[in-house]
Parts: sequence; structure tokens; C-alpha cells
Amino acid sequence: AQSVSQHNHHVILSEAASLELGCNYSYGGTVNLFWYVQYPGQHLQLLLKYFSGDPLVKGIKGFEAEFIKSKFSFNLRKPSVQWSDTAEYFCAVNAQYNQGGKLIFGQGTELSVKP
Amino acid sequence: DAGITQSPRHKVTETGTPVTLRCHQTENHRYMYWYRQDPGHGLRLIHYSYGVKDTDKGEVSDGYSVSRSKTEDFLLTLESATSSQTSVYFCAIGTVNTGELFFGEGSRLTVL
Repeated sequence: AQSVSQHNHHVILSEAASLELGCNYSYGGTVNLFWYVQYPGQHLQLLLKYFSGDPLVKGIKGFEAEFIKSKFSFNLRKPSVQWSDTAEYFCAVNAQYNQGGKLIFGQGTELSVKP
Repeated sequence: DAGITQSPRHKVTETGTPVTLRCHQTENHRYMYWYRQDPGHGLRLIHYSYGVKDTDKGEVSDGYSVSRSKTEDFLLTLESATSSQTSVYFCAIGTVNTGELFFGEGSRLTVL
């Protein structure tokens, strides 16, 4: 069965620090990959997505992610975080064989940015 | 934001009582989903629907049932609520060919 693993449960950074959140998935076929963000008290919003093509994808608010097929990874990065980036971040995978577009989510990483 | 409305947004109930959560969309999406969100578990799929009267189970479907009598509404029912079903429930609509989902605001359910 598909699974998604996010290595960090809680990350604490100071403003202007660089961010990298790890995400690995277990599925050997073609996948669509997503990062969602959930700000405190809000619903999930799409941060960025990868379907095909350039493995380095750019999303909203300066976030980017790199798909490394050989490592089954899709890590999220941001060069300089802001206090407003405090949120929970979820990696998700959809295997293209998967009927219904069901997304499998990782456990989430809570990011706290100190001003 | 996608036109997804969940109701109620907050509910407190007692063990053994039935509970129904409603998801209403105005986007005419064929696919609709119910997820639950719990600390340390991320989001887990409960049930999903791929059309009117067409539903299927997700990974944590025990204790839940769903119904979809029209395109815009997807109901999640807990026949007899238990404390383990205390959670935040998110409805989502999606595009089947990409898997991208759009989420509602969530319904926080507390079962005492």
C-alpha cells in the first residue's frame, strides 16, 4: 500500500532561517505530489504540486520543492522563513493508477517560526 | 476559495448518539471526500464518492457511513458516536485526473 512519511514532526526556526521539510513516499510507479499548508485554525490550502516535467517546482509564498525519483522524495524548501509561515505542512501523494484521485497524506510537520 | 461549505462547524455530542455532517459544494465536482484529521496521523480518508449514489471506503471507514443523493451534497454519518471519533472532519472535492483536492473549512466534533 502507498504510504507517505514526513520525517520532522515539529520544526522550530527563527525568522530568516532556511527551511527544508522532508517527505518520502512508497510507491514505485508514476505519482502526482503535493504540499498542502494549514495555517492555525484554517483549512488546508495547496502550496505546490508536481505532475511531470521539471522536478523543481515553485509554489506560492516563495516555497519550492524538488522531486527526486530515485530517492522517492519530494522535499519542501524555502530560503528564508517568515513568522507568517508558522503552520502545519502536509505532503501528499496520488498514484496515477489510483481511481478517484485519492490523496494519501503524511503525518504533517508543524513549523513554528520565532520572530 | 472553492465553494465548499461544511455544517455544522462545531458539534459536541455524547457517546452513542448519531451524528451527521454535511458537505455542500457549488463547483459541480464529481468526486467528493471525507477525511479526518488527528494529531500525529495527518489526514486519513474515511469515504469518498465518485458520483451520485456511488461511494467507496477509505482507510478508516469503520463506524462511518456516507450518502450522496445529489451532486452537491455528501453526508457523513456516525451511527453511534464513540470518543475515538472525536476529531476534525474535512470535506474535499477533487479532480480525478490529477488528484488535487480543495478542502472545506472543517467540522470539529467532540464526543463525550
